[in-house]
Amino acid sequence: KAGVTQTPRYLIKTRGQQVTLSCSPISGHRSVSWYQQTPGQGLQFLFEYFSETQRNKGNFPGRFSGRQFSNSRSEMNVSTLELGDSALYLCASSAQGLSTEAFFGQGTRLTVV
Amino acid sequence: QQQVKQSPQSLIVQKGGISIINCAYENTAFDYFPWYQQFPGKGPALLIAIRPDVSEKKEGRFTISFNKSAKQFSLHIMDSQPGDSATYFCAATTTGNQFYFGTGTSLTVIP
Repeated sequence: KAGVTQTPRYLIKTRGQQVTLSCSPISGHRSVSWYQQTPGQGLQFLFEYFSETQRNKGNFPGRFSGRQFSNSRSEMNVSTLELGDSALYLCASSAQGLSTEAFFGQGTRLTVV
Repeated sequence: QQQVKQSPQSLIVQKGGISIINCAYENTAFDYFPWYQQFPGKGPALLIAIRPDVSEKKEGRFTISFNKSAKQFSLHIMDSQPGDSATYFCAATTTGNQFYFGTGTSLTVIP
């Protein structure tokens, strides 16, 4: 069974640009959640999508958005990038949602310069 | 307000010893408490999880102890091995809520 796949693995963007990250969940999983990991703030929950609907949302500004497609693949978009957005962005997939077993991808390392 | 508080920040244990990591939570509505292990350059991997209707859960060398009245839960790693050296995160959530992580514990097991 293939795991969670995140693309790209590494990304360098300039301040002010926008970026789109992709996450392909485990086959059959309908929930995809996104997280930001930084040395200073640790692991923080961004949002969760379930069957193409955003079900839960963390405390991030509106520059952070996402969507989920009918095949459960999910994308996360960050607009007007700031230096502080440099982080490891992780997605996790689960069959039923946040309160069930979740499997993480290896993440996308975003560097904003 | 930090929803999940984790301690210690770092831990050094001799091979064969017991590693203990503690977490405390705020929201009594939380109903799912997982522990994750993360190696450098990798995403977190689920180790073991517990729900508040049980006080202890064991899987191999890993045990979660849960104290609902104190709003605390802990991870015990028995017979710690050098391969267990990693960062460990506790977390808590409930349906319809966010997912909250602790700040992480860097575990080093000395051979």
